[in-house]
Amino acid sequence: EAGVAQSPRYKIIEKRQSVAFWCNPISGHATLYWYQQILGQGPKLLIQFQNNGVVDDSQLPKDRFSAERLKGVDSTLKIQPAKLEDSAVYLCASSLELAGGPGQFFGPGTRLTVL
Amino acid sequence: AQSVTQLDSHVSVSEGTPVLLRCNYSSSYSPSLFWYVQHPNKGLQLLLKYTSAATLVKGINGFEAEFKKSETSFHLTKPSAHMSDAAEYFCVVSTTSGTYKYIFGTGTRLKVLA
Repeated sequence: EAGVAQSPRYKIIEKRQSVAFWCNPISGHATLYWYQQILGQGPKLLIQFQNNGVVDDSQLPKDRFSAERLKGVDSTLKIQPAKLEDSAVYLCASSLELAGGPGQFFGPGTRLTVL
Repeated sequence: AQSVTQLDSHVSVSEGTPVLLRCNYSSSYSPSLFWYVQHPNKGLQLLLKYTSAATLVKGINGFEAEFKKSETSFHLTKPSAHMSDAAEYFCVVSTTSGTYKYIFGTGTRLKVLA
């Protein structure tokens, strides 16, 4: 079974530039999550989709971050414009159910450096 | 509201000695609990999960955890540490009622000494 795919793996940009990350979840997983993990901290949920609908985006900085999952499969997370404090690893995860059950499966992450 | 507290930010053990990583949770509903491991520059990997079945849960790589409702704890243990166990470990709580969320602890970095 293929895992969660993410690209790119690494990205370096200057502040005020824009950037986009892509995620393809495990086949059949209805729920998709984007997390931000700052160095030395645990992952923080940015947004959670159930199929193509948003379940939770309460911690997404909506003035600069956006995410979509148009066909209920793969997803894109965008930052525009980027700030220095956005430097982090962006993790995508998917699960069969909203919570509990088998748990979440994570992709390898995208390491973003904002200069 | 749900929360999870990992009581130690760093744990050091010698190779071949037991590992104990502590986790306490708070949940208004019956929780599901997970332990994930993250090796340097790698994604998170599920070690084990508790979802209201047996209270002693066995996971991969010789790890296990025991759900203790009276103590609201879900500590991770391994009888004998291996060098390859050195990593960051995250305890996670989720609920199947109310808001559906996975809440991460702040992590415990395990160091294994030769």
